[in-house]
Amino acid sequence: LAKTTQPISMDSYEGQEVNITCSHNNIATNDYITWYQQFPSQGPRFIIQGYKTKVTNEVASLFIPADRKSSTLSLPRVSLSDTAVYYCLVGALYGGATNKLIFGTGTLLAVQP
Amino acid sequence: SAVISQKPSRDICQRGTSLTIQCQVDSQVTMMFWYRQQPGQSLTLIATANQGSEATYESGFVIDKFPISRPNLTFSTLTVSNMSPEDSSIYLCSVEVGDRGRENEQFFGPGTRLTVL
Repeated sequence: LAKTTQPISMDSYEGQEVNITCSHNNIATNDYITWYQQFPSQGPRFIIQGYKTKVTNEVASLFIPADRKSSTLSLPRVSLSDTAVYYCLVGALYGGATNKLIFGTGTLLAVQP
Repeated sequence: SAVISQKPSRDICQRGTSLTIQCQVDSQVTMMFWYRQQPGQSLTLIATANQGSEATYESGFVIDKFPISRPNLTFSTLTVSNMSPEDSSIYLCSVEVGDRGRENEQFFGPGTRLTVL
């Protein structure tokens, strides 16, 4: 499983766009990139997933360059409620069998008023 | 998607005792997972529990310390045996549903906060 590296923490203010970059230099051809969000006292929840280029949903955007050795989670106009830990995970689904989720250190995003 | 509940939500236990944590899912799932999250740390996978087979443990975790049951497709238990203060942690269960076309999407329970004195 590809190892991921992301900043330990980031600070932002309400209304700003936040970009969290994750490095995964050893990503394999059939690996997806998935981001999870964890609020205090809750389990993580899926935010977004991509394989290449750009993916956008109602919560965030995910930018993946052509070499796929990194990815950037973009949160538009953050609010105080976006304060959480954001995990970048890389893994694949092999032949229908479930892949384990291996969590890295995560990035603690603190949004200030 | 899946809704997961865990019991107890928290507990304070004496060293040397054991605690069994229950995980209930609102739908039938094949794969269930147990994680540990120590204070201020990331999640660490303990084991994968499939219905009808022995759980598969990750490196550093053994069945004698963390026995797991998976009697049906909606329920699992994790027991933390012969507890020590180092076992103080949040224990989370999760499931993979796979009905939304997303790879590696797991739904997590709220966690069980365990404190061992």
